[in-house]
Amino acid sequence: GESVGLHLPTLSVQEGDNSIINCAYSNSASDYFIWYKQESGKGPQFIIDIRSNMDKRQGQRVTVLLNKTVKHLSLQIAATQPGDSAVYFCADPSGGSYIPTFGRGTSLIVHP
Amino acid sequence: DAGITQSPRYKITETGRQVTLMCHQTWSHSYMFWYRQDLGHGLRLIYYSAAADITDKGEVPDGYVVSRSKTENFPLTLESATRSQTSVYFCASRAGLAGYYEQYFGPGTRLTVT
Repeated sequence: GESVGLHLPTLSVQEGDNSIINCAYSNSASDYFIWYKQESGKGPQFIIDIRSNMDKRQGQRVTVLLNKTVKHLSLQIAATQPGDSAVYFCADPSGGSYIPTFGRGTSLIVHP
Repeated sequence: DAGITQSPRYKITETGRQVTLMCHQTWSHSYMFWYRQDLGHGLRLIYYSAAADITDKGEVPDGYVVSRSKTENFPLTLESATRSQTSVYFCASRAGLAGYYEQYFGPGTRLTVT
């Protein structure tokens, strides 16, 4: 089975709301995670990463939370905007080769 | 322009034909990757390359061939295309393999095999 997976295939929110996208992983040894954003017709783009020695990391309007106990991470987007509409992937590049393994992605739809 | 580019952006081919997808990066990154993206499967690694003339299989290599004679180019060839290879293909590059190196993706090639 895949090593990372997102809980929901689609998340619909209203503009201005906060969005939370969840991801579970199975490898207890994973020590680094990346969130990517993929807009329609484009390749994935790095958003934010987090290492296992951290519980939380903040970027511009985005926060990633890591719960190693239950092997779960989440991406929180504050004040969601229409431009945030995209598919979001969590990736685990912690394998021996550091090549990311991608989950299926969650499609975030922002309604104006 | 600097960055990572793919060509063609769209391709329709027939079953059994050979088709080559091109990938070019201007950063002189050591590592390059090919992924395919299908509904319900996310991104799956086909092949990757650590340097010129060094390539290795990923998760789904069957039916694909790669080469890397120059650092900046990493073409992907489907020697005899099948309908199951209809997909969106993404090339990516990265300066190194340590976790902190960001991986940059190209815009993708949408391939349809009829």
